[in-house]
Amino acid sequence: GQQLNQSPQSMFIQEGEDVSMNCTSSSIFNTWLWYKQDPGEGPVLLIALYKAGELTSNGRLTAQFGITRKDSFLNISASIPSDVGIYFCAGHPSSQNFVFGPGTRLSVLP
Amino acid sequence: DAGVIQSPRHEVTEMGQEVTLRCKLISGHNSLFWYRQTMMRGLELLIYFNNNVPIDDSGMPEDRFSAKMPNASFSTLKIQPSEPRDSAVYFCASRRQGFNEQFFGPGTRLTVL
Repeated sequence: GQQLNQSPQSMFIQEGEDVSMNCTSSSIFNTWLWYKQDPGEGPVLLIALYKAGELTSNGRLTAQFGITRKDSFLNISASIPSDVGIYFCAGHPSSQNFVFGPGTRLSVLP
Repeated sequence: DAGVIQSPRHEVTEMGQEVTLRCKLISGHNSLFWYRQTMMRGLELLIYFNNNVPIDDSGMPEDRFSAKMPNASFSTLKIQPSEPRDSAVYFCASRRQGFNEQFFGPGTRLTVL
């Protein structure tokens, strides 16, 4: 089946720094979703992307649907302690249901 | 509106026992997904329903697992008999027809001793 790769697997940053992470696939996807999971909770939808090249913001978060339709990027500006968690990308291939990436674990140091 | 509701939040049971996990969809949503999350495998889709009908159960590990959707707003995931390797967090998610976004419940943390 389809697989997604996320990088980095984990990252440690200082509070106030900007964060970049990405998600790649070997196949074309029609939709990209970015989720955040806090410890002990379910994933929460952050941003949804529907068109190649689309750039969408949600507060300090910005995500882009890659032009090739095989990748997506998530940026977090001016990180704060509550940004800690696991960030998952999910892609929707044309003929299948959503596939989730393995996640990027973010730690923010005060 | 209330989000996806799952119960119980935590379940500890002994190997061989039957386990039933429950999920209530968001009102107005018509698709339901059951996922399992472990450190080793991440988030795995087990089964999903559309309008109460199971569409894809290829992710269900084996015959010990079964899922039902007796009505439009409620689903159960049953494991019988349970085994220690079933220990994981089980999530359900719901989706409204015509939209791609899935909304997750808080999960049930299952421990099988």
